[in-house]
Amino acid sequence: AQSVTQLDSQVPVFEEAPVELRCNYSSSVSVYLFWYVQYPNQGLQLLLKYLSGSTLVKGINGFEAEFNKSQTSFHLRKPSVHISDTAEYFCAVSDRKLTGGGNKLTFGTGTQLKVEL
Amino acid sequence: DVKVTQSSRYLVKRTGEKVFLECVQDMDHENMFWYRQDPGLGLRLIYFSYDVKMKEKGDIPEGYSVSREKKERFSLILESASTNQTSMYLCASSHRGLYQETQYFGPGTRLLVL
Repeated sequence: AQSVTQLDSQVPVFEEAPVELRCNYSSSVSVYLFWYVQYPNQGLQLLLKYLSGSTLVKGINGFEAEFNKSQTSFHLRKPSVHISDTAEYFCAVSDRKLTGGGNKLTFGTGTQLKVEL
Repeated sequence: DVKVTQSSRYLVKRTGEKVFLECVQDMDHENMFWYRQDPGLGLRLIYFSYDVKMKEKGDIPEGYSVSREKKERFSLILESASTNQTSMYLCASSHRGLYQETQYFGPGTRLLVL
């Protein structure tokens, strides 16, 4: 079974400052990793995902994340945030599967990013 | 664009009522999911379905059932609603590919059980 830990429930940051949202996972098998974002009163949308290959993954809206297998981490970063980045961010993990089938995700508890002027 | 729609944005029901939450996707996805989202707990999987008439329990299936009679539609049923089922319910769908596929989410239904 997998688990995901997002230690920071809230992260306040000033506009144009850099931000890092932390995510650590636990799994006995190789995994796929995801970051989703949820804007107020909306569903979740995918920011980026790591499946294989380069450990630095670039996503939408200027976000990127780095997969670190030795530290079992997948931290999300943005060099300069905007007020519109205010949202809740969820890290998620899924077992690697080489055959078709369901792709269950295990989500972290979320990090509320609040960008202030 | 993938579109996942949920029948209601807000619902208010009374304890003991039978509640139906409907989800429809328009991208011919094989997989569909129901989650509930609670503050401090993130998203937890209730049920999922790999195909029509197929369903599997997620992490918290107690008090819920599901129905998938057509590929595009996945219903979540609360047989007898209770106050501890007050929550945000999110539906998602994904293609059943060889590897991990992105899940696409609906806007959510906020359910209040009185």
